[in-house]
Amino acid sequence: KQEVTQIPAALSVPEGENLVLNCSFTDSAIYNLQWFRQDPGKGLTSLLLIQSSQREQTSGRLNASLDKSSGRSTLYIAASQPGDSATYLCAVRPWVRSGGSNYKLTFGKGTLLTVNP
Amino acid sequence: NAGVTQTPKFRILKIGQSMTLQCAQDMNHNYMYWYRQDPGMGLKLIYYSVGAGITDKGEVPNGYNVSRSTTEDFPLRLELAAPSQTSVYFCASTYTNSYNEQFFGPGTRLTVL
Repeated sequence: KQEVTQIPAALSVPEGENLVLNCSFTDSAIYNLQWFRQDPGKGLTSLLLIQSSQREQTSGRLNASLDKSSGRSTLYIAASQPGDSATYLCAVRPWVRSGGSNYKLTFGKGTLLTVNP
Repeated sequence: NAGVTQTPKFRILKIGQSMTLQCAQDMNHNYMYWYRQDPGMGLKLIYYSVGAGITDKGEVPNGYNVSRSTTEDFPLRLELAAPSQTSVYFCASTYTNSYNEQFFGPGTRLTVL
């Protein structure tokens, strides 16, 4: 059974700092990995999606990497801002033997990020 | 496009009552999902659907039912509500192309007293 772990559970940093959020998964047979942002009382917003054949994806100040063989992904946030404060979740989609994906995500519990002005 | 929409946003139920959480998407996505999110527990899959008329159980289906009569709509039915069903419910959808990015609705916060 796939398990996804995110460390740390909470992180507080001063504005302007570069930071890394970690995501690890137990089964390396994944189709893709997706990073989400969740603001308090809101739904999930997709930030980046990395296919299993890719090593990284970038969007603005965000960079997500994937090392499938070691079961790890990182989300790098450059020059953090108070507006980046939110919970960040990673989720993996499994690869199935019949080919492709079963389209079901397994989520980590998230990292609560606070960026202090 | 409105994306994925959910109604209601908040609801309080008494034990034993029933209700339907509504979910709709206008992106012509074939896959739709229902998750629940409990504090500190992450998201758990309740039910999902691969297309109109086809549904399947996720990790935590007990106490819930779904139907998918159209591509756009995927309602979640709670029968005989229990305090253990107090949670935030999210609907999501995706299109089965090579990208498979999943899009989420804003959620329904349900309290059962």
